[in-house]
Amino acid sequence: AQSVTQLGSHVSVSEGALVLLRCNYSSSVPPYLFWYVQYPNQGLQLLLKYTTGATLVKGINGFEAEFKKSETSFHLTKPSAHMSDAAEYFCAVSQGGSQGNLIFGKGTKLSVKP
Amino acid sequence: EADIYQTPRYLVIGTGKKITLECSQTMGHDKMYWYQQDPGMELHLIHYSYGVNSTEKGDLSSESTVSRIRTEHFPLTLESARPSHTSQYLCASSVPGLAINEQFFGPGTRLTVL
Repeated sequence: AQSVTQLGSHVSVSEGALVLLRCNYSSSVPPYLFWYVQYPNQGLQLLLKYTTGATLVKGINGFEAEFKKSETSFHLTKPSAHMSDAAEYFCAVSQGGSQGNLIFGKGTKLSVKP
Repeated sequence: EADIYQTPRYLVIGTGKKITLECSQTMGHDKMYWYQQDPGMELHLIHYSYGVNSTEKGDLSSESTVSRIRTEHFPLTLESARPSHTSQYLCASSVPGLAINEQFFGPGTRLTVL
């Protein structure tokens, strides 16, 4: 069965610093992987996704993630944090198949200090 | 514009009241979902539907019920609201027939039961 582990429920960085949010997954089949962002009192918005092909995936707002099969990881990065990046970030893996659902991690809250 | 809508966005109600949370999407998606999310916490899948007249229970047991009479509409009902139902409820939909299961989320309904 698939599962997702997000290391660190809360990450704090200074404005302009590197953002690194960690996600590890387990999957018995080639995974489809997602990062979503949630701003306060809003729904989830897709940041980026990995399906097949290039392992470095670029998303919106300057974020990117790299799929590393050998490490079963899909960490999210951004070279320079902005105050507007403060939000909750969720990593998810697809159960696969048209009947499957998404399995979400518990989320990482990103704080950005001025 | 294709989108997914939830109403109301905020609801404060007394114990024992019957409530219905509305979710509609104009994207033509067959599969729809309801998640429950406590503030700053992970998402829990409570209901999903593969299409008209299909409803399934999710991973988290819920006293709520859902119906799917029309493709675009997936309302959630609580027959008798209790303070333990206080939470944020997120509706989502996904592209039919694809293994990737990428989900699109509505803005959420924040429910407070007094």
